[in-house]
Amino acid sequence: GAVVSQHPSWVICKSGTSVKIECRSLDFQATTMFWYRQFPKQSLMLMATSNEGSKATYEQGVEKDKFLINHASLTLSTLTVTSAHPEDSSFYICSARIPGLAGAYEQYFGPGTRLTVT
Amino acid sequence: DQQVKQNSPSLSVQEGRISILNCDYTNSMFDYFLWYKKYPAEGPTFLISISSIKDKNEDGRFTVFLNKSAKHLSLHIVPSQPGDSAVYFCAAIEGGGADGLTFGKGTHLIIQP
Repeated sequence: GAVVSQHPSWVICKSGTSVKIECRSLDFQATTMFWYRQFPKQSLMLMATSNEGSKATYEQGVEKDKFLINHASLTLSTLTVTSAHPEDSSFYICSARIPGLAGAYEQYFGPGTRLTVT
Repeated sequence: DQQVKQNSPSLSVQEGRISILNCDYTNSMFDYFLWYKKYPAEGPTFLISISSIKDKNEDGRFTVFLNKSAKHLSLHIVPSQPGDSAVYFCAAIEGGGADGLTFGKGTHLIIQP
């Protein structure tokens, strides 16, 4: 159980275009999903918390107008990188918690999406 | 300012021996800690976790120890196997579990045959 998928696994886009990344919980419903970013040889950095039916909460320094998050259903959250620039090239990973389990703080991660902006 | 620190970028251990990965934290509000294993170009895989009310949690070959007074935790893997070679991330979360995880920079564990 607790499988999270992401699509696409990798994408190359031109500077100035927008890219949408999907994150799905396959065998459970996730009221909360999280989006992280990892640069080469760096740690995973939390970008935002995605809540079903409400606005996402962004971490300090993350532009909410650039990284649009939509949590449309209990199994799907999307991250859209708008007007992408080469410095947005990174590894984007989503995660989800299994709701309702007391003390269950574990987050289950998707396989990640490698974004390259040329 | 890194709240979760893994000071060893890499660690080499002989197959069959014990691997000990260390993690320190500065935020006293953290009350739940997790270890993840990660291969390149893949998402992290959850290994084991520990609540701040405990000082040890064991799951098969993996044991996590927590020393709250020292703000230090460690992951022990015994015996180490070649498939354990990966990057290991320590992560922490504040009370309630509703927030995202704060990760360390990771330790690359290499198991030598």
